[in-house]
Amino acid sequence: QQQVKQSPQSLIVQKGGISIINCAYENTAFDYFPWYQQFPGKGPALLIAIRPDVSEKKEGRFTISFNKSAKQFSLHIMDSQPGDSATYFCAAKETSGSRLTFGEGTQLTVNP
Amino acid sequence: DAGVIQSPRHEVTEMGQEVTLRCKPISGHNSLFWYRQTMMRGLELLIYFNNNVPIDDSGMPEDRFSAKMPNASFSTLKIQPSEPRDSAVYFCASRLAGGTQYEQYFGPGTRLTVT
Repeated sequence: QQQVKQSPQSLIVQKGGISIINCAYENTAFDYFPWYQQFPGKGPALLIAIRPDVSEKKEGRFTISFNKSAKQFSLHIMDSQPGDSATYFCAAKETSGSRLTFGEGTQLTVNP
Repeated sequence: DAGVIQSPRHEVTEMGQEVTLRCKPISGHNSLFWYRQTMMRGLELLIYFNNNVPIDDSGMPEDRFSAKMPNASFSTLKIQPSEPRDSAVYFCASRLAGGTQYEQYFGPGTRLTVT
């Protein structure tokens, strides 16, 4: 089964710092790489997504960096805020369908 | 606009009982997904439908689990009989299939506890 590996499992950052979460996948049958944000008691919500034909995508304080040859992608949160404290999931969509394979999740805590 | 609606939000039941979880996707969406989230296994896709037809049910754990989508605005996930290891948060998500937009919109989830 295709897998997506995510690290770290948890991350503590000071307010104003940069949060970095990494993901790696094992094969090339993916064509869409989203990041979802989940707050306690809520469902995951799409944060930002990238396709493999670009190496970087930025939306406000959130940036995805994508390295196709290394099969890795990462989420960078600039100027991290306490309101960013949540669990973040990377995911990958299979080229042949709609299935999303999720990483294990990273619990981010941003201290004030 | 109403998002994905799930009911109940919390369910506590005894082992052996039948459990039915319900989902109303966003109006106009034609793909529906059922996920299970646990600490041990993370977020797992159980089954998804396109235009009310089950496309991929490879994530359904076993025959105790079944899902239906009788029309475009309603789906159920049934567990019969339930077991303590089924305790998890179950999410329903929907999206508009086709084109280049792949965002899935998740509901608030149903927290199931089987004692």
